[in-house]
Amino acid sequence: AQKITQTQPGMFVQEKEAVTLDCTYDTSDPSYGLFWYKQPSSGEMIFLIYQGSYDQQNATEGRYSLNFQKARKSANLVISASQLGDSAMYFCAMRDLFPTGADGLTFGKGTHLIIQP
Amino acid sequence: DTEVTQTPKHLVMGMTNKKSLKCEQHMGHRAMYWYKQKAKKPPELMFVYSYEKLSINESVPSRFSPECPNSSLLNLHLHALQPEDSALYLCASSQVVFPGSKNNEQFFGPGTRLTVL
Repeated sequence: AQKITQTQPGMFVQEKEAVTLDCTYDTSDPSYGLFWYKQPSSGEMIFLIYQGSYDQQNATEGRYSLNFQKARKSANLVISASQLGDSAMYFCAMRDLFPTGADGLTFGKGTHLIIQP
Repeated sequence: DTEVTQTPKHLVMGMTNKKSLKCEQHMGHRAMYWYKQKAKKPPELMFVYSYEKLSINESVPSRFSPECPNSSLLNLHLHALQPEDSALYLCASSQVVFPGSKNNEQFFGPGTRLTVL
């Protein structure tokens, strides 16, 4: 089974600053995928960004980017120019791939990000 | 249409009740998932359906009974639940992927907040 570690239970950041959310993982599979999801207080899980283990470049999606360091097994999420609406729980997750072709996500414990005006 | 819908949004039930949670997607995804999320915890995988067949059952008690009547619908039948089963139940769907394939974002529904009295 995969293991995901997020070491920051909570973070306070000033609006407009950049923020880095840490994620380390453990897997013996050479092929894997890493995801970041945002969960506002409403409960819905919102997909932010994906990084595949064989991707040559770090993933970017708008204000979100991944600092992917494969040798260190880390996939930190960077949010540039933070906004008040970024306040939410952020989960790092890894895909567990099963022989049937289905997969499930294993999530880290999450980081509660609060953006202050 | 990139939406996963779940009904009901909230559910309160007694320990002797029988109820069902419903999930629907029209993205042509052939993998569907149930996750359970306790307060201040990450989601935990419960069941995975691949091509309408149960692929993964993560040792979930039999008082939870999943059903996938067709490729667009996923139900979770609840019977004789305990107060500790109170949680947010999230449904998700994705394309079926196999080793070596690239992205497999899971699209999540808004969840059903279940309270067992």
